[in-house]
Amino acid sequence: NAGVTQTPKFRILKIGQSMTLQCTQDMNHNYMYWYRQDPGMGLKLIYYSVGAGITDKGEVPNGYNVSRSTTEDFPLRLELAAPSQTSVYFCASETRTGDYGYTFGSGTRLTVV
Amino acid sequence: EDKVVQSPLSLVVHEGDTVTLNCSYEVTNFRSLLWYKQEKKAPTFLFMLTSSGIEKKSGRLSSILDKKELFSILNITATQTGDSAVYLCAAGGTSYGKLTFGQGTILTVHP
Repeated sequence: NAGVTQTPKFRILKIGQSMTLQCTQDMNHNYMYWYRQDPGMGLKLIYYSVGAGITDKGEVPNGYNVSRSTTEDFPLRLELAAPSQTSVYFCASETRTGDYGYTFGSGTRLTVV
Repeated sequence: EDKVVQSPLSLVVHEGDTVTLNCSYEVTNFRSLLWYKQEKKAPTFLFMLTSSGIEKKSGRLSSILDKKELFSILNITATQTGDSAVYLCAAGGTSYGKLTFGQGTILTVHP
């Protein structure tokens, strides 16, 4: 099925480890987003991209990096995992600006111990 | 800084009750107000509101926006246990489609 695919679904990291959360969409959407959701909270924007080769910081970018080498892929990199990065991460895409017609991935639950 | 605040944070009702969820926003260059339902996984879209005073309805759910008061409500009538979820309000205020989310209202409907 077409949509946004996130991997892995679950991961436990030790403090200081690194990992990449993968996000792929097959809808040819230009706009892609990474959000995190802490328990009992709404979603906060980490990074976003308006097209291949273009990325920008959101509200909570510290501790993360992104790249957008293709339209389909928007990986999120954690270099030195910290307990504060324990969260559920959602990737989303939309076809064009202003529509807010997000398609969300199913999320990645990350625990840093 | 853009801000979206929801109230109440949690609500417990019985089946058949009617509930009203509130959302206030302060967003630069406001464009749209969105409501999502979240059950365990990713949020699912309910409504998008861009014009003041126009109610959007879908079955037992309805929502309205007041752009003068920077406020929106989500009504659910004749609640069912399947309505139990977190309801998220989000506001869009830039040209890049970024959304600012509220903290959510946890709705629990008991049989």
